[in-house]
Amino acid sequence: DVQLVESGGGLAQPGGSLRLSCVHPGLSFTNHDMNWVRQAPGKGLEWVSFISSSGTSVYYADSVKGRFTISRDNGKFSLDLQMNGLRDEDTAVYYCVFSLHDDSFDIWGQGTMVTVS
Amino acid sequence: QSVLTQPASASGTPGQRVAISCSGSNSNIGSNAVSWYVHLPGTAPKVLIYSDNRRPSGVPERLSGSKSGTSASLAISGLQSDDEADYYCAAWDDSLNGFVFGSGTKVTVL
Repeated sequence: DVQLVESGGGLAQPGGSLRLSCVHPGLSFTNHDMNWVRQAPGKGLEWVSFISSSGTSVYYADSVKGRFTISRDNGKFSLDLQMNGLRDEDTAVYYCVFSLHDDSFDIWGQGTMVTVS
Repeated sequence: QSVLTQPASASGTPGQRVAISCSGSNSNIGSNAVSWYVHLPGTAPKVLIYSDNRRPSGVPERLSGSKSGTSASLAISGLQSDDEADYYCAAWDDSLNGFVFGSGTKVTVL
């Protein structure tokens, strides 16, 4: 099975920062879009951010716009999410997601927990 | 409050057919493809349907997706105990310039 490996989660104070990373050796990375999706405790899935295959197009959920920055390094097969100005409501499991198709989230990482407290 | 509306729960007995609805608007389901996901607590979500009605390799034929106007539906035929999980729909929203997920439906096998 294809593996996406996330890291960088942990505990942060309100107003603090964390940087999530996701690596995916073995995937044909450069031709596909990627996303971050999160799930807060007891809540449903929430899309966080999108980056196109080339990195030229990025989009953010209104809830994180201006605070989070998505980036990718195709040469290193890596995807990052820089999270600044963290709030209690950012507490969630964050998933790195690889898109095989334009309209879906096809390959998911195991998730990394972010706790803001 | 989710942009895409799903029933909070659905249930059936083994062997029955269960359908989960996903209601949106012209800016999301009405103009973009719908995908469906299954999620068990403690595991990563898994894609079941993409492009409204296409199944990835490995997803059984008893799962099917459909769409009409601003609503979509996931049908599970031949319900099995393993189908107990949370199910989510998703679509791109042109007005929000982002993806939106449904509120999620918990399926219970009685």
